[in-house]
Amino acid sequence: DAGITQSPRYKITETGRQVTLMCHQTWSHSYMFWYRQDLGHGLRLIYYSAAADITDKGEVPDGYVVSRSKTENFPLTLESATRSQTSVYFCASSLAGGRRNEQFFGPGTRLTVL
Amino acid sequence: DQQVKQNSPSLSVQEGRISILNCDYTNSMFDYFLWYKKYPAEGPTFLISISSIKDKNEDGRFTVFLNKSAKHLSLHIVPSQPGDSAVYFCASTFSGGSNYKLTFGKGTLLTVNP
Repeated sequence: DAGITQSPRYKITETGRQVTLMCHQTWSHSYMFWYRQDLGHGLRLIYYSAAADITDKGEVPDGYVVSRSKTENFPLTLESATRSQTSVYFCASSLAGGRRNEQFFGPGTRLTVL
Repeated sequence: DQQVKQNSPSLSVQEGRISILNCDYTNSMFDYFLWYKKYPAEGPTFLISISSIKDKNEDGRFTVFLNKSAKHLSLHIVPSQPGDSAVYFCASTFSGGSNYKLTFGKGTLLTVNP
């Protein structure tokens, strides 16, 4: 399927467990982003990547790890999940040089940490 | 330190009337602004944008106005329709940057009543 997909769509885990959220895009966009959406905070950037093997921290990176071995994939790992990481996570991609920084978002993953 | 502010968490309007959503920014480096629309259980989708060299951009029922001196932008929806009910995010960036990051506001929930 074309576009940007995220898996799983819903995940329940326990405190202390490692969780990986997957993001896949078929557009060959250079840039990819991870956001979390929380009530009262809007969309906050966790990590972003300019290309394969190039990643950088966003606004709220603590407790998260990313990798980008392939252009099309950008997994987000919570190394030891905490209740404060309960949130909706969105992955996005952007074409470098495209219409001024327009980002295309996936459908989101709702994560609950018990 | 919020660089993009949407001070109204919610807005309710009648079908057929005008909806006006507001956004303020503090970073003078921002020179490109975007509005995203988000329905429940979906990712945000791009709606309309404006460059700082313009003060107005129109796309059908949607118009964005930019007041650079006041660091303020607004999204007008005329006429409002029930299908416009969604969360609207304002986002800002500076085109001279190389990372294509967007800074989002907290969002405004628009409800259009039939």
